[in-house]
Amino acid sequence: DAKTTQPNSMESNEEEPVHLPCNHSTISGTDYIHWYRQLPSQGPEYVIHGLTSNVNNRMASLAIAEDRKSSTLILHRATLRDAAVYYCILRVSGGSNYKLTFGKGTLLTVNP
Amino acid sequence: DVKVTQSSRYLVKRTGEKVFLECVQDMDHENMFWYRQDPGLGLRLIYFSYDVKMKEKGDIPEGYSVSREKKERFSLILESASTNQTSMYLCASSPADRDYGYTFGSGTRLTVV
Repeated sequence: DAKTTQPNSMESNEEEPVHLPCNHSTISGTDYIHWYRQLPSQGPEYVIHGLTSNVNNRMASLAIAEDRKSSTLILHRATLRDAAVYYCILRVSGGSNYKLTFGKGTLLTVNP
Repeated sequence: DVKVTQSSRYLVKRTGEKVFLECVQDMDHENMFWYRQDPGLGLRLIYFSYDVKMKEKGDIPEGYSVSREKKERFSLILESASTNQTSMYLCASSPADRDYGYTFGSGTRLTVV
C-alpha cells in the first residue's frame, strides 16, 4: 500500500491557522489524497480530498505540492472542536482502489 | 443528512457466542467496509464489499465473516467471539468513484467477556 508520513502530534492556539503536513513520496499519478479526522469516541469524519489542484471546502483547504509528493491540510482558524487525530491517506488506483489504509495520523491539540 | 448507522453503540457478549454487528447506509453507496480500531494499532480493515453479495478480505479477516444481501446493509459476523475481538468496530461506505470520500458510522464498542 502507498504510504504517508505525518508528525505524531501538533499543537495550535485557538483562532490561529493550522498547517498539518503529510509526505507521500511514493504517490502515483492517479492516487487521490484524502484527509479524515477522528474526534474522541467518534468514527472518522471525511474532511477533504484532492488529486492535483488545491481544494477548498467549508471545513478546510488542501494544498498539494506541484510534484504531489507532499500535501498540507490547512485549518484557517482552529477551534477547540478541531482537536482530533488527522489522517492523511492515499486512495490508490488499481485492484485495491476500494479501500483506505489508515496510518497513525497526527494528534492535533488546540489550546484555548 | 447522509448516514451510516450502526445498530449498537455498546455491546457485551460472552466468549463463544455468535455475534452480529449491523450497518446500514442510506446513500446508495456501492462500497461498504468494516474496520476495527485498537489503541496503538489504529484502524485496520477487516472486510469490504463492492457490490451486493460481493466481498473481499481486508487485512485482518481471521475470525470474522460478512454478509451483504442488500445494497444498504452490511453485516459483520463473529462466528465464535473471543476476548481478543474486544474492540471498537467501525462501518463505512463510499461510492465506487474514487473521487468521493468515505462516510463512517459512530462505531460499536464490543466487549467479549
